[in-house]
Amino acid sequence: EAGVVQSPRYKIIEKKQPVAFWCNPISGHNTLYWYLQNLGQGPELLIRYENEEAVDDSQLPKDRFSAERLKGVDSTLKIQPAELGDSAVYLCASSFTGPDTQYFGPGTRLTVL
Amino acid sequence: ILNVEQSPQSLHVQEGDSTNFTCSFPSSNFYALHWYRWETAKSPEALFVMTLNGDEKKKGRISATLNTKEGYSYLYIKGSQPEDSATYLCASHTSGTYKYIFGTGTRLKVLA
Repeated sequence: EAGVVQSPRYKIIEKKQPVAFWCNPISGHNTLYWYLQNLGQGPELLIRYENEEAVDDSQLPKDRFSAERLKGVDSTLKIQPAELGDSAVYLCASSFTGPDTQYFGPGTRLTVL
Repeated sequence: ILNVEQSPQSLHVQEGDSTNFTCSFPSSNFYALHWYRWETAKSPEALFVMTLNGDEKKKGRISATLNTKEGYSYLYIKGSQPEDSATYLCASHTSGTYKYIFGTGTRLKVLA
């Protein structure tokens, strides 16, 4: 069974530029999560989708971050414009339903210069 | 305890040593405790999900115990090998929510 796929794995951009991350969850998983992991910290939830509906986006900084999950499968997380403080690892995870074990992708390491 | 705390933050052990780490979590409204192993440049790998007080889980040389009344879990590695080098994350899952609260992880380095 293929795991959660994320791309790109690494991204270096200059501040004020836009950036987008893509996630393909495990087939059949209805719940998709985006996490932010800062250096030395544990992952923190940005947004959770149930199918195509964002059911928890309370931690998403909506002035510059946006996300979508068209057709309830793949998802894209966007930052526009990026700031220096956005340098972090962005993790995507999926689960069959909300309470089930979450399975993670390898993450995208973003560096903003 | 309001947050999930892990200790130690990091440790180095010699190959063949046994070691253990601690995860402390809020005991109220407990639903599940998850352990993950995260090797550099790879995806975090789910090791255990534990739900019942007194639970013990084992996977090869790695085992974990759970005390939901006092809010802690121990992860044990017996006879550490260099391939065990990774960050071990625990995440608390509270009933009524779908949110995991992660600890900051324990970074293990096993020296050959």
